[in-house]
Amino acid sequence: GAGVSQTPSNKVTEKGKYVELRCDPISGHTALYWYRQSLGQGPEFLIYFQGTGAADDSGLPNDRFFAVRPEGSVSTLKIQRTERGDSAVYLCASSADRANEQFFGPGTRLTVL
Amino acid sequence: KQEVTQIPAALSVPEGENLVLNCSFTDSAIYNLQWFRQDPGKGLTSLLLIQSSQREQTSGRLNASLDKSSGRSTLYIAASQPGDSATYLCAVGTYNQGGKLIFGQGTELSVKP
Repeated sequence: GAGVSQTPSNKVTEKGKYVELRCDPISGHTALYWYRQSLGQGPEFLIYFQGTGAADDSGLPNDRFFAVRPEGSVSTLKIQRTERGDSAVYLCASSADRANEQFFGPGTRLTVL
Repeated sequence: KQEVTQIPAALSVPEGENLVLNCSFTDSAIYNLQWFRQDPGKGLTSLLLIQSSQREQTSGRLNASLDKSSGRSTLYIAASQPGDSATYLCAVGTYNQGGKLIFGQGTELSVKP
C-alpha cells in the first residue's frame, strides 16, 4: 500500500508569513509524529498524535507552531510568523500504534528567506 | 533525558568490506530501537526494528544487535556495496518519553567501488 506522503515537497516563504505543511499517514495508523531535521543533524521530535489528540507536544519550539489532526488521519503542521531559523526539513511519520515501527514520509523542505 | 550518540560520524570503506556502525544511548529503559537509512535529500527508510526483549534482528546483509544493559546497539553490514552509501541513523523509543523517537546524529557511509 501507499506510504506516508507529505506536501508540498518544497516550500519557500518570506519571513513573517504563515505556512501549512500536510502529512498523509499510512492508512489505519493511529499514531502520527512530526519531526524537524536541520542539516547534518538527526531528526528532532516536535509533536505526537494518538488518534485525533496531541498526546505529546513537548517538542514544539514555541507558540508559533501548532498542529492538528481533526479526523485522526491527515495532519497539518502550521507555523505562524515564520523566522529564518525555522528553515529545515519537516518530517512526518506514522505507526500502527505507539511503540511500533515508525514509517517516514519524504519530508517538506521549508526555506524562510 | 535520553541521549543517543553515533560513532563514527563518517566512514569511508572500499567495496566488499564488512563494517560496523555504533550507537549508544544513556537511558536503558527503552521499548525499541530502530535503524534507518537516509539518502541525500530524501526521507528516512526503516531498516530494522529491535524490540527491547530482543537481542538482534537480521535483514539480508544487515544485522543489528541490542545490548540494553550497556546502552549499545551495532549495525553490521556484510559485503558492502556502493549502493549502501547513505547516512545511517539510530533512534530509540524510551518509556518515560512517550511515543517519540530520540535520534543520533547519524553515520555518513561512503562505499568506494
